[in-house]
Amino acid sequence: AQKITQTQPGMFVQEKEAVTLDCTYDTSDPSYGLFWYKQPSSGEMIFLIYQGSYDQQNATEGRYSLNFQKARKSANLVISASQLGDSAMYFCAMREGPGGAQKLVFGQGTRLTINP
Amino acid sequence: DTAVSQTPKYLVTQMGNDKSIKCEQNLGHDTMYWYKQDSKKFLKIMFSYNNKELIINETVPNRFSPKSPDKAHLNLHINSLELGDSAVYFCASSRGGGGIQETQYFGPGTRLLVL
Repeated sequence: AQKITQTQPGMFVQEKEAVTLDCTYDTSDPSYGLFWYKQPSSGEMIFLIYQGSYDQQNATEGRYSLNFQKARKSANLVISASQLGDSAMYFCAMREGPGGAQKLVFGQGTRLTINP
Repeated sequence: DTAVSQTPKYLVTQMGNDKSIKCEQNLGHDTMYWYKQDSKKFLKIMFSYNNKELIINETVPNRFSPKSPDKAHLNLHINSLELGDSAVYFCASSRGGGGIQETQYFGPGTRLLVL
């Protein structure tokens, strides 16, 4: 069963608009972490934002924020005021496993294209 | 100052050959990983080492052998390369200790093409 689901294979957004990338997850572990990574066409994986399962507030990092709805098991990434440089693949990931043996489980990714 | 570096960046080789990919991190992290990204961009864990000890071995063929000479290095050796091994291989590292310290920082990737 898919543990991380990203239902939008591709998204097209006008520059300066806000965009929401969807991510739902499945786990029975009360302690988990959720991450978003950006992969531009150059190929590197860039860490964007982290949300812990016990965090009371939604995480924010500059133009990135995470809309964390624990009961719905969703962790959507919101990018405000999109820029051309935001065009990339975006991956949602969940940390799972006992301490010291943890791994990231990734979703399928969403390809975001920002149009001028 | 590259945090996680990999060499080589590109690797083109014939089926049946043996090749190695090297990874180094200068972040002082305790845990290092190898991930494989396939042609559909799907990323999957292969191995994880914590303080030079193998922690995760995710049903990878035994043609793949990781080696960690010290905490800062994790190499991947692949024997008898097959066409299906063509992929991008990412090394990553994390500090450990829970919470945001589990954030994994990735190297630039090694694009392997087996002909």
